[in-house]
Amino acid sequence: DTGVSQDPRHKITKRGQNVTFRCDPISEHNRLYWYRQTLGQGPEFLTYFQNEAQLEKSRLLSDRFSAERPKGSFSTLEIQRTEQGDSAMYLCASSLGLDRPYGYTFGSGTRLTVV
Amino acid sequence: EDQVTQSPEALRLQEGESSSLNCSYTVSGLRGLFWYRQDPGKGPEFLFTLYSAGEEKEKERLKATLTKKESFLHITAPKPEDSATYLCAVQEGTNAGKSTFGDGTTLTVKP
Repeated sequence: DTGVSQDPRHKITKRGQNVTFRCDPISEHNRLYWYRQTLGQGPEFLTYFQNEAQLEKSRLLSDRFSAERPKGSFSTLEIQRTEQGDSAMYLCASSLGLDRPYGYTFGSGTRLTVV
Repeated sequence: EDQVTQSPEALRLQEGESSSLNCSYTVSGLRGLFWYRQDPGKGPEFLFTLYSAGEEKEKERLKATLTKKESFLHITAPKPEDSATYLCAVQEGTNAGKSTFGDGTTLTVKP
């Protein structure tokens, strides 16, 4: 297994455009998470899935953000009508969902720049 | 709401100079506390999970400890390759999935 893969690594888009990011988790992991990180800050929770079910979405997340995980495999995160404030590193992570919490395995992230 | 505060924000050490990083947390029942290492431009790398007060974990020059209000990451005789940002995160009792992260401590080890 090659770990968690994210695509693309970098994305530059004009304000108002839509963007979509893809995450391929570790195949044995049933939980998948999306976080956003800006410079000097820790990762901020966006949403997470257990298998194909989206179990929680951050209250801070506007309706412009949507995520899917069809068939409980890869996931996509779409941002509609991008704004300059959306510029950040978008991190995907996966983990086993068991009784005891386990640490996440993160991907290398997608760096979004909105110009 | 869960809160995680890390201190100091930045720490500069000479090679071989041991020190500790602090993570203070407020949660409604701790399920787990995690330490990660993050290098510039990369995703965080998992280091340790601590589940209950009094627990300790070690890996090479790193040792993590946990009390009911805080965790420490002790770095013994650090090397330049230990330079990174160290992140602390907590998962609270009523939410089995989401982790809340602190803003990290950026460690620089000079040779």
